[in-house]
Amino acid sequence: DVKVTQSSRYLVKRTGEKVFLECVQDMDHENMFWYRQDPGLGLRLIYFSYDVKMKEKGDIPEGYSVSREKKERFSLILESASTNQTSMYLCASSLYRGSYEQYFGPGTRLTVT
Amino acid sequence: SQQGEEDPQALSIQEGENATMNCSYKTSINNLQWYRQNSGRGLVHLILIRSNEREKHSGRLRVTLDTSKKSSSLLITASRAADTASYFCATANTGGFKTIFGAGTRLFVKA
Repeated sequence: DVKVTQSSRYLVKRTGEKVFLECVQDMDHENMFWYRQDPGLGLRLIYFSYDVKMKEKGDIPEGYSVSREKKERFSLILESASTNQTSMYLCASSLYRGSYEQYFGPGTRLTVT
Repeated sequence: SQQGEEDPQALSIQEGENATMNCSYKTSINNLQWYRQNSGRGLVHLILIRSNEREKHSGRLRVTLDTSKKSSSLLITASRAADTASYFCATANTGGFKTIFGAGTRLFVKA
């Protein structure tokens, strides 16, 4: 079974802090994604990566950056956390370009105070 | 931009009844998928239906797709308490990078 793990289930940070969210998948998937999930809005794509060191902006990249130095690891960085970034963050992976089934991690619920 | 919109937003049924959820979308798609999310957890892929398919089955799940109406439905037959979850439709264009998720239907199955 594909396993996608995220570094924290719950995280509380202060406004202005730099925040790192880590995601690791163990099935050699090429594609990795970061979403945020807010009530009534579904999942919105922040960034995705289709290869090591490659990244593409999703629909809401402002205030975020990403890093993919190794194939299995995709990090989401909040450069200066703000209260409107309080959300559930979900990482996902898929096998290769053209494969649509995404495997999700358990999510990190981030609160910025 | 939100592509898929589920209807209803919430649904409460008795165990053993069937549950039907609908999804509408706006633009041409390569495929449509349904995912389940248990409370506070990640999403789990349930089923994918391609744009040239009209119906697909998987266990107690039946999915239909009407591309002329840009809509899909998910039917869960003989529901169980364990089916209590949120269900999301997701649409994808060719390539698979930009999968767009709807806001979801919350299903509550009473034992």
